Amino acid sequence: GNSVTQMEGPVTLSEEAFLTINCTYTATGYPSLFWYVQYPGEGLQLLLKATKADDKGSNKGFEATYRKETTSFHLEKGSVQVSDSAVYFCALSVGTGNQFYFGTGTSLTVIP
Amino acid sequence: NAGVTQTPKFQVLKTGQSMTLQCAQDMNHNSMYWYRQDPGMGLRLIYYSASEGTTDKGEVPNGYNVSRLNKREFSLRLESAAPSQTSVYFCASSESLGTYEQYFGPGTRLTVT
Repeated sequence: GNSVTQMEGPVTLSEEAFLTINCTYTATGYPSLFWYVQYPGEGLQLLLKATKADDKGSNKGFEATYRKETTSFHLEKGSVQVSDSAVYFCALSVGTGNQFYFGTGTSLTVIP
Repeated sequence: NAGVTQTPKFQVLKTGQSMTLQCAQDMNHNSMYWYRQDPGMGLRLIYYSASEGTTDKGEVPNGYNVSRLNKREFSLRLESAAPSQTSVYFCASSESLGTYEQYFGPGTRLTVT
């Protein structure tokens, strides 16, 4: 089947620290992979995506590389800011299927 | 650009009451979705509509009904609310089914007492 496993939170970092949030997946077929971000009181927003193996998605200083050999799509940022405090969701979608498969979310708090 | 809008933002119901959550999108998207978000469980798909005139069950459809009123609007109805339906509900839309990005509304926080 299709599923996403992401690291449990909550994660607390100091400003300018390096961030990694791990995400691994299982999928039938060749999935597209996504990271969504949810700021407090808001809906989810697409942060970045990658549609094939070895693609790197990037946005707002965040990056993630689609690794088929390790079935992973880890989210990284070199220097986090207080404004990055949010919940981050890894997700996949396969072929013309009807749904996205979301991870359980990782809460990130960045302290000054 | 409004994107995806949802009403209401908050709602409190008593067990057994009914209500309809409204969702509209202005991006001319074909596909629309209803999710619920519960702590520690991520987002779970309730129902989706691939295109105007079609609806299908997702992972957790029991206790819910949907109507795709037209291309813009997709409503979710709780006929007889139960405490287990206390959750945050998100509507989303995408250009089509599959790997297209989904755009989410701001959510409706529902409490059933």
